[in-house]
Amino acid sequence: DAGVTQSPTHLIKTRGQQVTLRCSPKSGHDTVSWYQQALGQGPQFIFQYYEEEERQRGNFPDRFSGHQFPNYSSELNVNALLLGDSALYLCASSFGEVIRETQYFGPGTRLLVL
Amino acid sequence: AQSVAQPEDQVNVAEGNPLTVKCTYSVSGNPYLFWYVQYPNRGLQFLLKYITGDNLVKGSYGFEAEFNKSQTSFHLKKPSALVSDSALYFCAVRDPDNYGQNFVFGPGTRLSVLP
Repeated sequence: DAGVTQSPTHLIKTRGQQVTLRCSPKSGHDTVSWYQQALGQGPQFIFQYYEEEERQRGNFPDRFSGHQFPNYSSELNVNALLLGDSALYLCASSFGEVIRETQYFGPGTRLLVL
Repeated sequence: AQSVAQPEDQVNVAEGNPLTVKCTYSVSGNPYLFWYVQYPNRGLQFLLKYITGDNLVKGSYGFEAEFNKSQTSFHLKKPSALVSDSALYFCAVRDPDNYGQNFVFGPGTRLSVLP
């Protein structure tokens, strides 16, 4: 049973560029959430996708956008990259919108913006 | 708004001794509480959660946590620490009365178990 997978594992971009990160949820899960974890901090919620729609959003600018596909996989897009976007980006999956459900995390994509 | 505090940046404990990693929370209603562990260059691994019922929750790898509503705490414990328990531990909360809020994580506590 495959867990949550993310690609790529590492990425280096320059300021102003755009980046796309990918996530495949754990088998049987249909909800995907994205988090940003800056160095030395806890994860910060970006947004959550369910039934191909953004259902919840944290305090992140519109430069951060996403998509969920019919197979439940998801993408996180960040436009006009800033140095402060350098972080570990974590994807988490769960089943349904039930709030008590545990979220299972992938290994993350480490993004460095130069 | 919901929030989580982990008052200790670092906890050091000798192998074989009991360990405690502290977590306090603030939500408007009854909380859903979670503990995750993060090893270097890895994502977060789920340890345990409190939703309702017995205040003592048992989880993976011998960890347990006690929910204390009056003290708004959810401390993580283990009777006998292992060197392999050394990692970064995160407490997280969800407010079931505030669906618009997703997980809120604490800043993390680094646990070092010394041989």
